[in-house]
Amino acid sequence: DPKIIQKPKYLVAVTGSEKILICEQYLGHNAMYWYRQSAKKPLEFMFSYSYQKLMDNQTASSRFQPQSSKKNHLDLQITALKPDDSATYFCASSQVSGYAEQFFGPGTRLTVL
Amino acid sequence: GEQVEQLPSILRVQEGSSASINCSYEDSASNYFPWYKQEPGENPKLIIDIRSNMERKQIQELIVLLDKKAKRFSLHITDTQPGDSAMYFCAATGGNNKLTFGQGTVLSVIP
Repeated sequence: DPKIIQKPKYLVAVTGSEKILICEQYLGHNAMYWYRQSAKKPLEFMFSYSYQKLMDNQTASSRFQPQSSKKNHLDLQITALKPDDSATYFCASSQVSGYAEQFFGPGTRLTVL
Repeated sequence: GEQVEQLPSILRVQEGSSASINCSYEDSASNYFPWYKQEPGENPKLIIDIRSNMERKQIQELIVLLDKKAKRFSLHITDTQPGDSAMYFCAATGGNNKLTFGQGTVLSVIP
């Protein structure tokens, strides 16, 4: 969906480094999410935010930190990268949190060497 | 938390026939069930959804059925076309809008 922008589209990083995945949505939505997709786990929920507040966190590792500087932004900072972090990371948004349709961004494909 | 099981993982059908994908969930509080279609290298796209106050919903060739008692829901694609070939995901969500996805079904429509 062109109204959800994720940058970069592709990202290669070395083990131990830190990267930030950018997500901006221009749908006027109030809830934003991060999902991860890999060969091991098809689509895995990571975080949900509503009105810039963390609602749910299903990521066990503190190496993953969402950052919301504006209502329509939800970036994902990943520190101490590991090869197992290699996946496509999708940002999504919905009008509100709770039983609302979610729309996905184009994704960032991360490869950790 | 919610668990969603999706079957089959691979589905091959002849063009013009119907395709059915089945999902089951565990959390009786789940009340929103979307279906997503994902083509290679693309993002998942919402194609149809159903809420717990409905048992059946149809959008053109897509039909979703929901059996709350059995905690099962299904997607039926009638008159399949080659353009329907893709990965399909079911999902379930409760009040926090956290989507729990099934494992996905790769649908191939054979011309």
